[in-house]
Amino acid sequence: SQQGEEDPQALSIQEGENATMNCSYKTSINNLQWYRQNSGRGLVHLILIRSNEREKHSGRLRVTLDTSKKSSSLLITASRAADTASYFCATNGGDKIIFGKGTRLHILP
Amino acid sequence: NAGVMQNPRHLVRRRGQEARLRCSPMKGHSHVYWYRQLPEEGLKFMVYLQKENIIDESGMPKERFSAEFPKEGPSILRIQQVVRGDSAAYFCASSEQTSYEQYFGPGTRLTVT
Repeated sequence: SQQGEEDPQALSIQEGENATMNCSYKTSINNLQWYRQNSGRGLVHLILIRSNEREKHSGRLRVTLDTSKKSSSLLITASRAADTASYFCATNGGDKIIFGKGTRLHILP
Repeated sequence: NAGVMQNPRHLVRRRGQEARLRCSPMKGHSHVYWYRQLPEEGLKFMVYLQKENIIDESGMPKERFSAEFPKEGPSILRIQQVVRGDSAAYFCASSEQTSYEQYFGPGTRLTVT
């Protein structure tokens, strides 16, 4: 069964606002990763957070991980039109990575 | 350092034909993963291979689908006797180690007519 589930399924915000996406998972993990997919393209790795880390930053991205709640969040600050894409969380608990169904983010001009 | 390469980018097959999808991992990567993505859906894991070995094929349909990663050359995902339901985007990814981030190819879009 699917490991990670993103919430919300779709999100539309004004350019300049912050976007927050959540991911919940079911079993223990080694790390959790976030990926972005532009329409019709392959996935691009954004950030990896290990199970012993609680927060990680990369540019305008901030990821948190709460292993007690089995959840993670991805925050994109000061959103731009180019951030329009689908965002997937992926959990790694062993020898393969399991992807969620994604959040479709649309940045309005 | 070239990224993950997949070919063809688009493939059209009639029902009953065979589809062969190729993936060349990034230089230095010995772990290859295949995923299938249906429209408006996430990626579904199919198979994980290392050179000459299938490590995990729990996501592969039992019939008609096979994958290999030979000592020399690209990884191949083969779909025999394709049906309309096989129409999807097939992505390949590679990594240095099992738990490391994966680098994705641009995908092969298979259309079965």
